[in-house]
Amino acid sequence: QQPVQSPQAVILREGEDAVINCSSSKALYSVHWYRQKHGEAPVFLMILLKGGEQKGHDKISASFNEKKQQSSLYLTASQLSYSGTYFCGTASNTGKLIFGQGTTLQVKP
Amino acid sequence: KAGVTQTPRYLIKTRGQQVTLSCSPISGHRSVSWYQQTPGQGLQFLFEYFSETQRNKGNFPGRFSGRQFSNSRSEMNVSTLELGDSALYLCASSLRTSGIYNEQFFGPGTRLTVL
Repeated sequence: QQPVQSPQAVILREGEDAVINCSSSKALYSVHWYRQKHGEAPVFLMILLKGGEQKGHDKISASFNEKKQQSSLYLTASQLSYSGTYFCGTASNTGKLIFGQGTTLQVKP
Repeated sequence: KAGVTQTPRYLIKTRGQQVTLSCSPISGHRSVSWYQQTPGQGLQFLFEYFSETQRNKGNFPGRFSGRQFSNSRSEMNVSTLELGDSALYLCASSLRTSGIYNEQFFGPGTRLTVL
């Protein structure tokens, strides 16, 4: 079952913060986050394993609440280079990585 | 280290034809997954191969098939093409079995247009 991402799209000014949410109806083993820039392949950002951990990568961090089967991606002090489509991928006991429909982020100067 | 390569990059076919797409994973990677990407649908999982065996399959009709060779290269075949098969087909490789714990490295994709 495909996870649900929200919002579908967001427009920011440079320096503003954003949160992208990912919600699943299935019990999850892990959540993966990828970013895809226009015309390019998706690029890995981070994996979060069940256990409620939080990870960070520069000014991008994420949390995973396995009880709620939800993950959130936090983008702090957005830069123009953050623009793109963000996908969460969820993995359950099936072993498959199922991606959400994506959230388009546009950062303007 | 060379990245994931996919050939061809662009393909135009007509309804009813069949097509074969190729993916060469990063050297040393044994897992290859295939995804279909269309506007509004995100990345739809097709299947995953590991050491020449299909490990997982998505919810696609039997017209979609794949295989993996001993050198980990993978091919995907779509028979009796339909207009709705027009999409970007991405393959991703992973060091070990992907899905739960491992980072996937995506190739640039093959853009298939069915007329």
